[in-house]
Order: sequence, then structure tokens, then C-alpha cells
Amino acid sequence: GAGVSQTPSNKVTEKGKYVELRCDPISGHTALYWYRQSLGQGPEFLIYFQGTGAADDSGLPNDRFFAVRPEGSVSTLKIQRTERGDSAVYLCASSLTGWDSSSYEQYFGPGTRLTVT
Amino acid sequence: AQKVTQAQTEISVVEKEDVTLDCVYETRDTTYYLFWYKQPPSGELVFLIRRNSFDEQNEISGRYSWNFQKSTSSFNFTITASQVVDSAVYFCALSERGITGANSKLTFGKGITLSVRP
Repeated sequence: GAGVSQTPSNKVTEKGKYVELRCDPISGHTALYWYRQSLGQGPEFLIYFQGTGAADDSGLPNDRFFAVRPEGSVSTLKIQRTERGDSAVYLCASSLTGWDSSSYEQYFGPGTRLTVT
Repeated sequence: AQKVTQAQTEISVVEKEDVTLDCVYETRDTTYYLFWYKQPPSGELVFLIRRNSFDEQNEISGRYSWNFQKSTSSFNFTITASQVVDSAVYFCALSERGITGANSKLTFGKGITLSVRP
């Protein structure tokens, strides 16, 4: 079946502009995650949705970052007043929700490479 | 707070050699999950294995094997008879069950770059 998809694959924007990154999870996956990966580092957690609600947004670096998942499927990560330090690959992942509260593996999309000039 | 340490940064081997990638983790939770992911040059993270904290059985899948030892907080990954296609960055990750129950964030190590030369 189809995996996690992310659009755009690449985004170049000027400092101070607003950007939106989209994630389409695997069908049937109720959990959706956003991570950010800088060069030479492991992915860092940003936010996790269970259904439509943000279950954990402790990784969002500041109030310029916001994410939504209004219908419990597609999610959009929004970054206001972009800064050069926001340049990174933004990864989206989705997973099943364990009926027994187990933590299922997360399946990752190809990422969006954001470059802020 | 949860933490994953992958002390090795780069490993280079010749094809057919065995190689072990080390992973040490820290957590205060009694229920947690450990993962390995592969990130080939194409960039997409590929899930390899999940292990929960109450299952210390080692696992073998083809040329891959994993050694989970709670006593040393380690979850090491061995590739037997390495191949050029194994060249990638390998990440170990940890997920705590926590008070919210099911599903939570992954905390990743910094990754190990494995190069397999023909």
C-alpha cells in the first residue's frame, strides 16, 4: 500500500516568509508525528497527533511553529517568520495505535527539505 | 529524560565482514520500546526492528541480529557478511510508554554511518 507522503519535497524560502509543509499518513494510522533532522544529526521530535488533537507538542521550538490535523488524516506544519536556523529536513511519520497501549513502529515519509535563504 | 547514545560515528568495513553497531540508552520508565532504523543515501528512514522492554530475547532476521541487554542498557545491532547495499546511516531510537500510555515520541541517537567497501 501507499506509504507516508510529504509535499513539497523541496522548499526554498526567504527569511521572514511563511511556509506550510504537508504530510499524508498511511491510511488507517491514527498517530502522526513531525520530526526535524539537521545535517549529521538524528531526527528530533516536534509534535505528535493522536487523531485530530495534538497529544504532545513539547518539541516545537517556539511559537513560530504550529501544526494542525483537522480531520485526523492529513497534517500541515506551519512555520511563520522563517529564520535561517529553520533550514532542515522535516520528516513526518505515522503509526497504528496499540489497543494494548503498546508503542508501534513509526513509518516515515521522504521528508521536505526546507532551505531558508 | 530519555537518551540514546551511539558512540560510534563512522564505521568502514570490507564486504563480507561482520559489523556490530552499538546503542546505549537511558530511561526511567519501566516500559519502553527500542528501535533501529536505516537511512540509505536516498534519505528515507526505513524501520528495521522494534523491541519492548520486557522481551530480552535476541532476534535474528537473515543477516541482521539484535542483542538486547537490560543489565547494560544496550541494544546492539550486528550485520553478518556485510554487503555494499548495507551502506547507510543507522539510527537507534527509544520510546517511553509514559503516563499517557500508547504511542509516544521517538528519541534518536546521532546515528552511525556505515560504509561497506567492495
